[in-house]
Amino acid sequence: GQQLNQSPQSMFIQEGEDVSMNCTSSSIFNTWLWYKQDPGEGPVLLIALYKAGELTSNGRLTAQFGITRKDSFLNISASIPSDVGIYFCAGQVLNSNSGYALNFGKGTSLLVTP
Amino acid sequence: DARVTQTPRDKVTEMGQEVTMRCQPILGHNTVFWYRQTMMQGLELLAYFRNRAPLDDSGMPKDRFSAEMPDATLATLKIQPSEPRDSAVYFCASGLDGGNEQFFGPGTRLTVL
Repeated sequence: GQQLNQSPQSMFIQEGEDVSMNCTSSSIFNTWLWYKQDPGEGPVLLIALYKAGELTSNGRLTAQFGITRKDSFLNISASIPSDVGIYFCAGQVLNSNSGYALNFGKGTSLLVTP
Repeated sequence: DARVTQTPRDKVTEMGQEVTMRCQPILGHNTVFWYRQTMMQGLELLAYFRNRAPLDDSGMPKDRFSAEMPDATLATLKIQPSEPRDSAVYFCASGLDGGNEQFFGPGTRLTVL
């Protein structure tokens, strides 16, 4: 699958701070998705983006689908301790071979101190 | 509360043993995915089914891994024989064809000694 470069690899912040992470790819995607994974659990979908330039919010989370279709960012405002976890970006290309398979970034590990 | 379920949650086995992991997709979902997660490689797609038919298993080592869907409510991933390098967390996810969202199960943590 296509390589996704996700950064930063990890972040260590104080409660109340804003967080920003991003994903880039050398390939174009039809859809960008952002997932969060808690320890011992599977990834949970946070936000899905379907159109280039789209900006979508989900509570304190905001994500954008880059205009070139090769990148996306996720912002978390006013972080709280329960935001701790690993955040993954995923890109999706619909084609006859891979269908709706996702390509995942390596993740951003977020630690929030009270 | 519809969820993907996976069994077992944890499995410790010895090299050479057969391992079978099971997944129950969300009722009504017609696409099922198997992923493997390791620290080094992250989340890797192993196999993908649509309407119980394998659509893409190019990410799966064919000599020892096999994935099947005996019916719409059960997907299995089998490793025979298992090797220490197979140690990882294996996730199953399901979704609706035509939709972009995949819903993940809690994973099976496999340790091969």
